Amino acid sequence: GENVEQHPSTLSVQEGDSAVIKCTYSDSASNYFPWYKQELGKGPQLIIDIRSNVGEKKDQRIAVTLNKTAKHFSLHITETQPEDSAVYFCADPFDSNYQLIWGAGTKLIIKP
Amino acid sequence: DSGVTQTPKHLITATGQRVTLRCSPRSGDLSVYWYQQSLDQGLQFLIQYYNGEERAKGNILERFSAQQFPDLHSELNLSSLELGDSALYFCASRGGVGTGELFFGEGSRLTVL
Repeated sequence: GENVEQHPSTLSVQEGDSAVIKCTYSDSASNYFPWYKQELGKGPQLIIDIRSNVGEKKDQRIAVTLNKTAKHFSLHITETQPEDSAVYFCADPFDSNYQLIWGAGTKLIIKP
Repeated sequence: DSGVTQTPKHLITATGQRVTLRCSPRSGDLSVYWYQQSLDQGLQFLIQYYNGEERAKGNILERFSAQQFPDLHSELNLSSLELGDSALYFCASRGGVGTGELFFGEGSRLTVL
């Protein structure tokens, strides 16, 4: 069945450095790849997404890259700040109803 | 503020009891999803409704049930509660066809003692 693997499970970076989180999916037909951020005590919130017809999308300090051949997509956060500390989830829809399979999450810790 | 409202925010109850969690989706959103998130765990999909009808089922226990009402709000009923049911329960709503973004509420934290 469909599967999404997310790595690493925990990532600790120095404030100002970059962070990269990677997800690998199994369904070649997948065409929409979102990233959600969950802050402590809150629900997940979409921060960026990409469709399969592009290889990269940027929004200020965050970017998502997609490699369809290798079936993986990555979240890049540059110039990390304390407010970037959170759990990040990737997801992959496995049907036309946008039913999502979620990655296990990455806890990002920004060290001052 | 996502526009999705969940009540109650916190709930403490005993094993064997029954609780109802409520969700009001964003105005105009027809789809409602329920997720369970245990401590330091990912999001487990429970069930989805679309305009009052059940659309998809995930790993939802038989002790759990849900429904979506004509005004589009949804309720998740958890019965014969066990210690392991302690978790955060999230509701999310989604807009129309072609939009993938889910809007999550802040969750209902259930503690079963």
